[in-house]
Amino acid sequence: KAGVTQTPRYLIKTRGQQVTLSCSPISGHRSVSWYQQTPGQGLQFLFEYFSETQRNKGNFPGRFSGRQFSNSRSEMNVSTLELGDSALYLCASSLFEQNTGELFFGEGSRLTVL
Amino acid sequence: GENVEQHPSTLSVQEGDSAVIKCTYSDSASNYFPWYKQELGKRPQLIIDIRSNVGEKKDQRIAVTLNKTAKHFSLHITETQPEDSAVYFCAATNQAGTALIFGKGTTLSVSS
Repeated sequence: KAGVTQTPRYLIKTRGQQVTLSCSPISGHRSVSWYQQTPGQGLQFLFEYFSETQRNKGNFPGRFSGRQFSNSRSEMNVSTLELGDSALYLCASSLFEQNTGELFFGEGSRLTVL
Repeated sequence: GENVEQHPSTLSVQEGDSAVIKCTYSDSASNYFPWYKQELGKRPQLIIDIRSNVGEKKDQRIAVTLNKTAKHFSLHITETQPEDSAVYFCAATNQAGTALIFGKGTTLSVSS
C-alpha cells in the first residue's frame, strides 16, 4: 500500500511569489492535515480537511490556504511568500473521521524562500 | 484552541539510563494523546498513544502515563539505546477531534 506522497520534495522561491504544494493521502484515508515544521517550533498545525471540507485552521495568516479534492488529494497554497515561510511542510493522512488514530506523514516539501 | 507544552526541549542521557519527557495540554475535552518519533531527515512516526479512559500504557521499553486532572502526560523510555536518539513530539486532539496539536519537540541524545 502506497504511503503519503508529497510533491514537490524541494523548491526554491523568491519573496513575493506564490507556491502550491500537493499531497496524495493513503488510499481510503479521507482526513488530510498540513503542518509547518521549523527548527525550534516543532510541528505547527496549518489546517485539516475531511471529505473536501476544511474543518479546522491553525493560527496562520490568510496567505496560507488549502483545499481537498473529491479523491482526497489535497493542495496547500502560500501567496506573497516571505523569508519566514521557509520550512518543511508536512502532510499527514488519517483513516479516522476524528483525529484519534495514527497520522501517516509524507516526507514533506522543503520550501526555501530567498 | 488547544495548546500543548512540552519539556524539556533537549535531553541527554547515557545508554541504559531512563528518559522522561513531559507534556501539558490546555483543552480538558482532549481525549487522545499520541507520541511521535522523528529521526534525523525522516518523517514523524507514531510510537505509542493513550486515550483518556486509560491512565497508563506500556509497549516494551516505552510507557506513557496520563493524568487527566492535572492535564499532563509523560513518555518514559527505559534502558535507552543509541537508536532512541531522535526528536520526540507529544500531541493532543482538540475538542472536536478535527486537529492534532503537537508540542515543540524534545531532542533526545543517547550516548554510549
